[in-house]
Amino acid sequence: QKEVEQNSGPLSVPEGAIASLNCTYSDRVSQSFFWYRQYSGKSPELIMSIYSNGDKEDGRFTAQLNKASQYVSLLIRDSQPSDSATYLCAVDDSNDYKLSFGAGTTVTVRA
Amino acid sequence: DTAVSQTPKYLVTQMGNDKSIKCEQNLGHDTMYWYKQDSKKFLKIMFSYNNKELIINETVPNRFSPKSPDKAHLNLHINSLELGDSAVYFCASTPYSGANVLTFGAGSRLTVL
Repeated sequence: QKEVEQNSGPLSVPEGAIASLNCTYSDRVSQSFFWYRQYSGKSPELIMSIYSNGDKEDGRFTAQLNKASQYVSLLIRDSQPSDSATYLCAVDDSNDYKLSFGAGTTVTVRA
Repeated sequence: DTAVSQTPKYLVTQMGNDKSIKCEQNLGHDTMYWYKQDSKKFLKIMFSYNNKELIINETVPNRFSPKSPDKAHLNLHINSLELGDSAVYFCASTPYSGANVLTFGAGSRLTVL
């Protein structure tokens, strides 16, 4: 399984602030990148996908991709207590039909 | 109506026992997966089946044996359980192999004593 690394948490931010999550990956030819959110005791759910360099915005979430640097990030603007969860970065494996996941960053939004 | 359902949700057993986890999806997807999530939240793929055929078999002890009787079902049988098998096992599906948007089941938490 290819390596996917995320900045270690936990990350604690006050309500209304921006939470910034980072992810680097080892497979230079990966083409698809995903952010999954996992609440405690629940299953992961997809919140963002990004395939091209640059930014992609969806509501309060912005994913940023830089393939040259093998880096993908997630910004959560106007963080809410309901955003408190573990965020998993996932990258496609160019050789096999599977995703490699990072270990996740746990975010806590303080009210 | 649950899209990907797993049973049981919780499983507590003794070392050396054999146990099974079942998974069913009603999404009409062709491809199903088993992932293992350890206590540090690291989610790692174990197996994948596409239309009943095994297509991904990661480095997993052969005590783990998946079975897919049809494309809507994927079961996981574990023989001679060990302490290190304690984890949450997630079933997931995608419309076809190579599709990357996974739909996960709720997970089955296995505790080996």
